[in-house]
Amino acid sequence: AQSVTQLDSQVPVFEEAPVELRCNYSSSVSVYLFWYVQYPNQGLQLLLKYLSGSTLVKGINGFEAEFNKSQTSFHLRKPSVHISDTAEYFCAVRGPSGGSYIPTFGRGTSLIVHP
Amino acid sequence: DTEVTQTPKHLVMGMTNKKSLKCEQHMGHRAMYWYKQKAKKPPELMFVYSYEKLSINESVPSRFSPECPNSSLLNLHLHALQPEDSALYLCASSQSAGTDYEQYFGPGTRLTVT
Repeated sequence: AQSVTQLDSQVPVFEEAPVELRCNYSSSVSVYLFWYVQYPNQGLQLLLKYLSGSTLVKGINGFEAEFNKSQTSFHLRKPSVHISDTAEYFCAVRGPSGGSYIPTFGRGTSLIVHP
Repeated sequence: DTEVTQTPKHLVMGMTNKKSLKCEQHMGHRAMYWYKQKAKKPPELMFVYSYEKLSINESVPSRFSPECPNSSLLNLHLHALQPEDSALYLCASSQSAGTDYEQYFGPGTRLTVT
């Protein structure tokens, strides 16, 4: 079984500042890692994913994440945020469970961008 | 077309009503999912269909009844719900239930049980 920990429930930041949203996972087997964004009253949209290969993954809207196997982390970063980045961000891990690969979501981090 | 559609967007129902939620995708995906999401919480998996067969039921009460009539459609039939069932119900699909295939989510149905 796998688990995901998002350490920060809320991250306030000023517009044009950099931001990092933290995600740590635990699993006894290889997993696949994802970051999703959810805007108010909408479904989840995939920002980026790590499957294998390069540990630095670039996604949509200027976001990137780095997979660190030794620290079991997959932190999400953006060098300069916009007001429109205000949303809920979920880290998810997908690993084997009885023949299927069921995603496990973290509790979410609310990114609040102030003008 | 990378869209998952869900109808209705909003639904208000009484505890004795019977209603259904509908989800549709035309991406040729063979895995479809139902999630329940409460405010400020992550999605909780309810059901997984793989190749139109129910493969996972996460101990969901029988007042929720899923149905997959074909590879593009997924329904969730609701009966005798409780107020605590009020939530955002999300549908998702992926190419397969296995390995690394990413999930595509619909916009959700906001359900209120009165």
